[in-house]
Amino acid sequence: DAGVIQSPRHEVTEMGQEVTLRCKPISGHNSLFWYRQTMMRGLELLIYFNNNVPIDDSGMPEDRFSAKMPNASFSTLKIQPSEPRDSAVYFCASSLELTGGTGEKTQYFGPGTRLLVL
Amino acid sequence: GQQVMQIPQYQHVQEGEDFTTYCNSSTTLSNIQWYKQRPGGHPVFLIQLVKSGEVKKQKRLTFQFGEAKKNSSLHITATQTTDVGTYFCAGGSQGNLIFGKGTKLSVKP
Repeated sequence: DAGVIQSPRHEVTEMGQEVTLRCKPISGHNSLFWYRQTMMRGLELLIYFNNNVPIDDSGMPEDRFSAKMPNASFSTLKIQPSEPRDSAVYFCASSLELTGGTGEKTQYFGPGTRLLVL
Repeated sequence: GQQVMQIPQYQHVQEGEDFTTYCNSSTTLSNIQWYKQRPGGHPVFLIQLVKSGEVKKQKRLTFQFGEAKKNSSLHITATQTTDVGTYFCAGGSQGNLIFGKGTKLSVKP
């Protein structure tokens, strides 16, 4: 099993540019999570999808952030325009939620995308 | 809102010493999960506890879930340099998994 795949692994961009992070969850998993990790704030949940539908996006910082999941095997997190304070490691995680599940199942994390906005 | 507090934030130990990290929730949890993140790596699932008072062991690691299902601990006996990393607890509640801020463990050989 390839595990959760994220790309790019590293991204350096200038303030104001658009950044798109990509995630391929584990095959067969039906829930996908986007996290942001910084030294100051730790691991923060940004958004959570179940069966490709956004369930909880209360963690999305502001309108500059958007996430999509067009199908069960692909998701994107977009930042437009990017700012230096967006510099962080962005993790994607997936899990298998059973019908009527409550979003608490074991999460499998991808290797992360290290984003630096200059 | 729901919060999961984890202490200490940092712990420095000599190799061979024991280590414990504690996790406390403001609400009753349905389950508690523990993850380990090596330096430069990503969080990796270690274990899940579901029952009140549950204790589970993985070699030198002992995990406990409190009777009230509001707190948990991870204890490592005789730490080794391979134990270095950040240990996160994550509490399951009302359909969400809330991560603590983690305890960063460093081990001096």
